Amino acid sequence: GAVVSQHPSWVICKSGTSVKIECRSLDFQATTMFWYRQFPKQSLMLMATSNEGSKATYEQGVEKDKFLINHASLTLSTLTVTSAHPEDSSFYICSAIKLTRMGAQYFGPGTRLLVL
Amino acid sequence: AQKVTQAQTEISVVEKEDVTLDCVYETRDTTYYLFWYKQPPSGELVFLIRRNSFDEQNEISGRYSWNFQKSTSSFNFTITASQVVDSAVYFCALSGLQETSGSRLTFGEGTQLTVNP
Repeated sequence: GAVVSQHPSWVICKSGTSVKIECRSLDFQATTMFWYRQFPKQSLMLMATSNEGSKATYEQGVEKDKFLINHASLTLSTLTVTSAHPEDSSFYICSAIKLTRMGAQYFGPGTRLLVL
Repeated sequence: AQKVTQAQTEISVVEKEDVTLDCVYETRDTTYYLFWYKQPPSGELVFLIRRNSFDEQNEISGRYSWNFQKSTSSFNFTITASQVVDSAVYFCALSGLQETSGSRLTFGEGTQLTVNP
């Protein structure tokens, strides 16, 4: 199979702190990973496309200085929410593309962030 | 630009009823993929099906079936003999065929399905 993990699954932090979320492809290499955000009772919205070894591509309206993405290896991408505020509270989901199966995108279990 | 519309926000049925979830999409691409995902209360997305635009053959998998109509840009999902465990939010999604940037998914708004015992 193709397994994607996220860590942590839950995080509660105080306003103003930074939070790092990891996304790992456990049994395959992924040159491309995606980060989505989902507010309660809403759909998934793509935040950015993370490419190994290069800068992430952010969607319109997503602050690149606030949501730092690093894709340092073929199996790991990280999303850092800097100076988090309550409005950043959301469900963050990553996905990874398995190149050996074109178009197949595998999702992580998600990370719930609550900023107090 | 790509767009996916799931007009049904919520559907409630009684167990064993059949239910169809509608999905209509818009794309300028001539080739693309369509998907259905299930999102139970835990939040983790469960992949159900991927269909490429070349293949309009309908598909059946157990109690699930999908009807792809390219002429009407629809990709509807039917659950036969629904069960309580089918209760979840179902998302229809669309992507291009390219391996990397083209694989970005555009999701519909989702349909909350509640199956009552």
